Amino acid sequence: AQSVSQHNHHVILSEAASLELGCNYSYGGTVNLFWYVQYPGQHLQLLLKYFSGDPLVKGIKGFEAEFIKSKFSFNLRKPSVQWSDTAEYFCAVNPYNNNDMRFGAGTRLTVKP
Amino acid sequence: NAGVTQTPKFQVLKTGQSMTLQCAQDMNHEYMSWYRQDPGMGLRLIHYSVGAGITDQGEVPNGYNVSRSTTEDFPLRLLSAAPSQTSVYFCASSYRVSNTGELFFGEGSRLTVL
Repeated sequence: AQSVSQHNHHVILSEAASLELGCNYSYGGTVNLFWYVQYPGQHLQLLLKYFSGDPLVKGIKGFEAEFIKSKFSFNLRKPSVQWSDTAEYFCAVNPYNNNDMRFGAGTRLTVKP
Repeated sequence: NAGVTQTPKFQVLKTGQSMTLQCAQDMNHEYMSWYRQDPGMGLRLIHYSVGAGITDQGEVPNGYNVSRSTTEDFPLRLLSAAPSQTSVYFCASSYRVSNTGELFFGEGSRLTVL
């Protein structure tokens, strides 16, 4: 069965620090990859997605993610975090042409002002 | 535009009771799904549907039933609630998740089973 691993459970950063959240998956075929964000008290929303093409994808609010096929990874990055980025971040994997979307355990990001 | 609407937002049950979590979407999405969110485990897929009359099991289907009689509605039924089903439940929909990947989530339903 496919799995999605997010190795950082809780990350604490100061404002303006750089962010990188790890995501690895175990599925061997072609996959679509996503990052979702859940701000405190809100529902999940899409941050960015990768389907094909340029492995470096840009999302909303200055986030980007890089797909490295050989490492089965899709890490999320942001050069300079803000207090408003405090949220929980979920990596998700959807096998190509499949309706099964699997999520990682999530990484809680706390940004100190 | 309401998006995905879940009811109730909070519910407390006793072990063995049954209940239905309601989910409705007004975006004419073919795909609808239910997830449960537990600390340290992220979101786990319970059941999903790719259209009216079609449902399938996800990662953790035991103890839950679903049906899809209309495009708009996708209720989740707990036939005999257990404490292990204490969780936050999210309904999500998409036009076609395999094509777009963007799930639209409801606000969640927090269920406590005593």
